[in-house]
Amino acid sequence: NAGVTQTPKFQVLKTGQSMTLQCAQDMNHEYMSWYRQDPGMGLRLIHYSVGAGITDQGEVPNGYNVSRSTTEDFPLRLLSAAPSQTSVYFCASSRAQGGPNEAFFGQGTRLTVV
Amino acid sequence: DAKTTQPPSMDCAEGRAANLPCNHSTISGNEYVYWYRQIHSQGPQYIIHGLKNNETNEMASLIITEDRKSSTLILPHATLRDTAVYYCIVRVVGTYKYIFGTGTRLKVLA
Repeated sequence: NAGVTQTPKFQVLKTGQSMTLQCAQDMNHEYMSWYRQDPGMGLRLIHYSVGAGITDQGEVPNGYNVSRSTTEDFPLRLLSAAPSQTSVYFCASSRAQGGPNEAFFGQGTRLTVV
Repeated sequence: DAKTTQPPSMDCAEGRAANLPCNHSTISGNEYVYWYRQIHSQGPQYIIHGLKNNETNEMASLIITEDRKSSTLILPHATLRDTAVYYCIVRVVGTYKYIFGTGTRLKVLA
């Protein structure tokens, strides 16, 4: 059971470039979300999805797009990278019903925009 | 979601109990208290959660006050591997959203 898998683990972009951070989960979880973590800070929600075909914005959505065409995958797209988007990005998934609904997090993608 | 307040840092001697407090004075009746930890810069890891009763699992114990306005996470025999940032979060079970504060940085000392 792989859990939540994020790729790549590290990435350096030039300002203005675009890229997609990948996130996949194999637990058949309905909820998936993306967070960013800046140095010394807690995690902040970027976008989330409550099921395939349904996405919505979190507290810091500007400069990012998401889509959820399958239950398993939830990619995060940076449209035109800016230095302010230098951060560590975490993807998480959880069940919608039953049990503690704890979130499972990936190991993160460390992005540097120069 | 209710906000939480945690001390920014704590030290604990190896082998002793680590008691991490959390204040959540505006918690609602249907909000649970969750604890996560983040070791180095890895993804946060679930530890335990509870509503009003005290809870224990293989990792930790959670003590929630009767008025539910505060709680304490207890690591009964801290080891060096427990050095991490610990986050206390309140949320409604079944919702997607976690609001992370800055947590408590626990350092376990040899």
